[in-house]
Amino acid sequence: QQQVKQSPQSLIVQKGGISIINCAYENTAFDYFPWYQQFPGKGPALLIAIRPDVSEKKEGRFTISFNKSAKQFSLHIMDSQPGDSATYFCAATSYGKLTFGQGTILTVHP
Amino acid sequence: EPEVTQTPSHQVTQMGQEVILRCVPISNHLYFYWYRQILGQKVEFLVSFYNNEISEKSEIFDDQFSVERPDGSNFTLKIRSTKLEDSAMYFCASRERGGVETQYFGPGTRLLVL
Repeated sequence: QQQVKQSPQSLIVQKGGISIINCAYENTAFDYFPWYQQFPGKGPALLIAIRPDVSEKKEGRFTISFNKSAKQFSLHIMDSQPGDSATYFCAATSYGKLTFGQGTILTVHP
Repeated sequence: EPEVTQTPSHQVTQMGQEVILRCVPISNHLYFYWYRQILGQKVEFLVSFYNNEISEKSEIFDDQFSVERPDGSNFTLKIRSTKLEDSAMYFCASRERGGVETQYFGPGTRLLVL
């Protein structure tokens, strides 16, 4: 019940395309849903986050869509750039502890 | 911009040896965490620490692990007798206060147990 399931495992997108990564959770106690971006050899860095009372949040090229009834949320990266190539983790938290998804390796080809 | 720092960046140790991983959280943060990431796998929660005591720990955080905040700035993770399966990247994270959920991660310590 504590799991967060993430897909796809890897994603290849052309420059300028849209990258979409999906996550699903089961624990309804989760109350904060961040996305982290991780480059090789670095720690996860917060990209964008949403609370379950909001259905969408947009920051620049990054948008989270949240479907509370389906217990799903997704990250959309518009106009994907080669610099966006990284591993993306969705996560969920209740009482501070982060539960991470498996990660998606995004490759954006120039 | 304030950041979480960790030392060392890499540590190689022999099985059965003790290691101490060090973290300096962001200065006004009150909640501290350790996570680990085995190569190619997801980031896993180990322990959370608040008000000088453990607030939650995972099944991974057994008696071989301990955490300490020895002074006002450092936060350490000790592994008493390392096992091969402890080889992983260990991340420290900190959070400002209750009601602010964002956790900021350090760059990690890569631990290799031989």
